[in-house]
Amino acid sequence: QSVLTQAPSVSGAPGQRVTISCTGNISNIGAGFDVHWYQQLPGTAPKVLIYADNNRPSGVPDRFSGSKSGTSASLAITGLQAEDEADYYCQSYDSRVSGWVFGGGTKLTVV
Amino acid sequence: EVQLVESGGGLVKPGGSLRLSCVGSGFTFNNYNMNWVRQAPGKGLEWVSSISGSGSYIFYAESLKGRFSISRDNAKNSLYLQITSLRAEDTAVYYCARGGTVVTPRHYWGQGTLVTVSS
Repeated sequence: QSVLTQAPSVSGAPGQRVTISCTGNISNIGAGFDVHWYQQLPGTAPKVLIYADNNRPSGVPDRFSGSKSGTSASLAITGLQAEDEADYYCQSYDSRVSGWVFGGGTKLTVV
Repeated sequence: EVQLVESGGGLVKPGGSLRLSCVGSGFTFNNYNMNWVRQAPGKGLEWVSSISGSGSYIFYAESLKGRFSISRDNAKNSLYLQITSLRAEDTAVYYCARGGTVVTPRHYWGQGTLVTVSS
C-alpha cells in the first residue's frame, strides 16, 4: 500500500480536461514538502512532468499543471491528446520514513 | 545538461549479490542528495534509499534494511547500490535519481538498469 493515494485509473475523451489527485498526510504533503509528478510511458523511465508543486520543466506543454492544498495535490491535464495515455505518479518526501514516498500510480486512458 | 547513467544490472541467481552504479554529469555531484528507486514488473515506483551529498546521512526503506547498502564516490561522480542475498522479489528496474535543493528543486532520473533474480 502506497503512502500517497491515487485513483488507479482515469479516462477522458480527446480535448477534455482530467485531474489526477494525490492524497497524503501531515508527514508528507501536509508538512509542506514539494510534490512532483511523473509521466511514464510503457517501457520507459519516469519523466518529470511537474516539479515543486506547480513548475513545468522546459518542453512540457502548458496543458499540464499542478496544484497543492493541505494534504493533497492534483495534476490537471487539459486538451487531452492520445499521446497523453500513460501512467502518472505523484511523489513527495516523508519525514516519518526520511525518504521519498510515491502514489500507487494512475493509468490515464484517452477514449 | 544533467545526465544520470546506471549500470550493473543483469541476471543473478537467488542468494547472489550485485552492485549497481550510477554516474552523474552536468551538475556539481556532491551538492545533491542521491536516491535509488525501483520498479518491479507491472508495479509502481518504490523508493529504496537515499544518501546526502557528503555521504554522511543515509536512509533506507524500512522493508529493505539489511540487504541494501548505498554509497557514493564524489571524486568519481558516482553512486552505488550493493544488494546482497538477492530474492526473486528484488527483480525490478533500478533507477538512480537526483534530489533537488531549495534553489534547484527539480529531480532528475536515469534510464534505469534491470535486475532479474532467477535460477
